[in-house]
Amino acid sequence: EIVLTQSPGTLSLSPGERATLSCRASQSVSSSYLAWYQQKPGQAPRLLIYGASSRATGIPDRFSGSGSGTDFTLTISRLEPEDFAVYYCQQYGSSPLFGGGTKVEIK
Amino acid sequence: EVQLVESGGGLVQPGGSLRLSCAASGFTFSSYWMSWVRQAPGKGLEWVANIKQDGSEKYYVDSVKGRFTISRDNAKNSLYLQMNSLRAEDTAVYYCARVDYTRLFDYWGQGTLVTVSS
Repeated sequence: EIVLTQSPGTLSLSPGERATLSCRASQSVSSSYLAWYQQKPGQAPRLLIYGASSRATGIPDRFSGSGSGTDFTLTISRLEPEDFAVYYCQQYGSSPLFGGGTKVEIK
Repeated sequence: EVQLVESGGGLVQPGGSLRLSCAASGFTFSSYWMSWVRQAPGKGLEWVANIKQDGSEKYYVDSVKGRFTISRDNAKNSLYLQMNSLRAEDTAVYYCARVDYTRLFDYWGQGTLVTVSS
């Protein structure tokens, strides 16, 4: 069974800084089936990235995804105030699985 | 505009039952797989169940097999989750999500809270 481990658990940054979030899989994951979601308190998750690197509709280009195999990264180039949230990676497909999440908080 | 609206959550005693509903609009409901995902208080996301467009295939996470049943009514554009033999660990916000042709969860509802407690 695949396990997705996200790190760090919490990232403390200031607006304007660059955020780099990691998602590591215990076994190789097809990059075609790796997604990232953003969740703010009291809200549903919002799809950001699919296929490891494709931005969903309406997602600003400061969000980018990369990686393959067992190591994937979500990068936010310059943090805006609305970007402080929890981010989850997900393997989708026949056996959906989520990582434990990374909280990006204001420093 | 795609909309998914969950309902049916509430407080239930351990061992009890609850039926969740998800009303879909803004897309051709019968053309999509649908899914339930849950989130325990302060915890991460957990996929619960999937159902194929015509209801002929259903999949569940191991922890709910034999207790939960996913179903749909395409004529009513509605998705359901029948939850029986509920346990304290089933306490969570339950989201319905649309699943695209690659099995990506592309749209989510706002969720409904289920609390299992005596």
